[in-house]
Amino acid sequence: SAVISQKPSRDICQRGTSLTIQCQVDSQVTMMFWYRQQPGQSLTLIATANQGSEATYESGFVIDKFPISRPNLTFSTLTVSNMSPEDSSIYLCSVELVALTGAGYTFGSGTRLTVV
Amino acid sequence: GENVEQHPSTLSVQEGDSAVIKCTYSDSASNYFPWYKQELGKRPQLIIDIRSNVGEKKDQRIAVTLNKTAKHFSLHITETQPEDSAVYFCAASIQAGTALIFGKGTTLSVSS
Repeated sequence: SAVISQKPSRDICQRGTSLTIQCQVDSQVTMMFWYRQQPGQSLTLIATANQGSEATYESGFVIDKFPISRPNLTFSTLTVSNMSPEDSSIYLCSVELVALTGAGYTFGSGTRLTVV
Repeated sequence: GENVEQHPSTLSVQEGDSAVIKCTYSDSASNYFPWYKQELGKRPQLIIDIRSNVGEKKDQRIAVTLNKTAKHFSLHITETQPEDSAVYFCAASIQAGTALIFGKGTTLSVSS
């Protein structure tokens, strides 16, 4: 099964700064997904990243705040820009292991972000 | 878009009892329904899933049932053990390659 490496695992950042989170998959995948999990809450989809095109953002999330790169089929980054304490969350990337074959979706280990 | 409702938000059972968590979805086009277990400080882990062409699926002590007509699916855990204590999330997706939409989660506590 595919392995996802996500980094950093955690960071403490000053408000007004930006943090870029990296997600590396050990096999090629068409779509990569970015989620936010606020403390004690469920996973909320931020955006879907397709290689070669702009990411598709969900309602409530905008590209200026959460720019995403997808330079190839195994890598993506999510940047949290101009951070405020409300951005303190766990951010997770996810991929579907093998589309159409029911192999399921797996998650990176997450990035725990604290904004002070 | 898809909306997934999950109940109950918390569930406490005695070791050996059964636990049932229920989810409903809004989009009749959804065809993939996984369940994830998330332990404190860890990533969600897939425990079982079902596709819309199947009504029930079992894997040892866990099972998932799907009612397409009513647009709901359920997770059943039998003979619960303290290590089953965690947060469980249901999810749904419309088709392969699209994102999962999650329910709000159920905190299961199994006391010995």
